[in-house]
Amino acid sequence: EVQLVESGGGLVQRGGSLRLSCAASGFTFSSYWMTWVRQAPGKGLEWVANLNEDGSEKYYVDSVKGRFTISRDNAKNSLYLQLNSLRVEDTAVYYCVRDPDWGQGTLVTVSS
Amino acid sequence: QSALTQPASVSGSPGQSITISCTGTSGDVGGYSYVSWYQQHPGKAPKLIISDVSNRPSGVSNRFSGSKSGNTASLTISGLQAEDEADYYCNSYSSSSSWVFGGGTKLTVL
Repeated sequence: EVQLVESGGGLVQRGGSLRLSCAASGFTFSSYWMTWVRQAPGKGLEWVANLNEDGSEKYYVDSVKGRFTISRDNAKNSLYLQLNSLRVEDTAVYYCVRDPDWGQGTLVTVSS
Repeated sequence: QSALTQPASVSGSPGQSITISCTGTSGDVGGYSYVSWYQQHPGKAPKLIISDVSNRPSGVSNRFSGSKSGNTASLTISGLQAEDEADYYCNSYSSSSSWVFGGGTKLTVL
């Protein structure tokens, strides 16, 4: 059974940083592209970033370029998202995705 | 990276059929056969119900079907049931290995 378990969310002040983690199991992690998707409270889904199997190709939505960094550790079956220079509008539930499977999400709240 | 366009809401009675549209551009929906649809119930993670325009993952009811014409994809739900009431999102592969989602459609079963 595929499991994706996010952690690392929390309350942070504007301009602060957080590191989200996603522990993957139930599949060969190193063989798949991985993705982060977020959902602001009461809003729709927004693709944030993805990267390829060995982490050499990374892509970001324009609104997070230069502030967020996606990475992975295939030896630890883990995906990460480093969030820097956080803005109030980054407040959202962040989901780890290996299509078609999604984690349960971790909530990031940025206060002003 | 503009969001795909979906109607904000649709409704139907039990047993009826409804269709949700998802309009993009030639750079996303119209340019690739990688359109997916997700169902999301309140407080839950999204669930994939259609991939690659019209493929149903194992375990998804055959009441759900997908199609595409030009820059517009569509999700049809036939034989509406109360448990179908949820938010539905389309998603497409876009240029530069990115994804783009629709704004979401709230389905109400009357």
